[in-house]
Amino acid sequence: NAGVTQTPKFRILKIGQSMTLQCAQDMNHNYMYWYRQDPGMGLKLIYYSVGAGITDKGEVPNGYNVSRSTTEDFPLRLELAAPSQTSVYFCASTDRGNTGELFFGEGSRLTVL
Amino acid sequence: KNQVEQSPQSLIILEGKNCTLQCNYTVSPFSNLRWYKQDTGRGPVSLTIMTFSENTKSNGRYTATLDADTKQSSLHITASQLSDSASYICVVIPYGGSQGNLIFGKGTKLSVKP
Repeated sequence: NAGVTQTPKFRILKIGQSMTLQCAQDMNHNYMYWYRQDPGMGLKLIYYSVGAGITDKGEVPNGYNVSRSTTEDFPLRLELAAPSQTSVYFCASTDRGNTGELFFGEGSRLTVL
Repeated sequence: KNQVEQSPQSLIILEGKNCTLQCNYTVSPFSNLRWYKQDTGRGPVSLTIMTFSENTKSNGRYTATLDADTKQSSLHITASQLSDSASYICVVIPYGGSQGNLIFGKGTKLSVKP
């Protein structure tokens, strides 16, 4: 019963470095999302995907990129990390878009120094 | 602007007591309203999902209510347990909104003390 798996759980980056947050789900869900959660704030949508090969921007996409080559995987790429990208990142998936139950991963805590 | 406001920001109660968390929203129209529980350092987990036509939904000791006329929802926790210590997040999904564009509240942090 893995559900949604995110790696790494913690990471410290220097300004200007790049990295990829990995997300995999084993529920055969078509819909996958990346959110960020800043202290004291509600989750914000970064990118989403409605199926393999299809991705689109959410509310706060600047500084990020995604790809969806398979149904299972939805990696989030951070290019040229900035302190403003310090946050907790959550990947989520569902089988029925906005009407379906959303399953979240455990989160990836990223600090940019 | 679509917003979800939760109160109180934080709450401390004794084990065994009941409590009620509030959620006010301006999202209109909306398709469904959800409550999530988020343990410290973990991802949110769904507690209840209510459509705009539902008034109440229960999940064990958790009962959510919805008043679409006043745009208010509440989450009532009965006979609290130490494991209820967590943040509780109210989420409203706009009707016809773009995928994943859920409106998240900032959450209420609940601490249950022995």
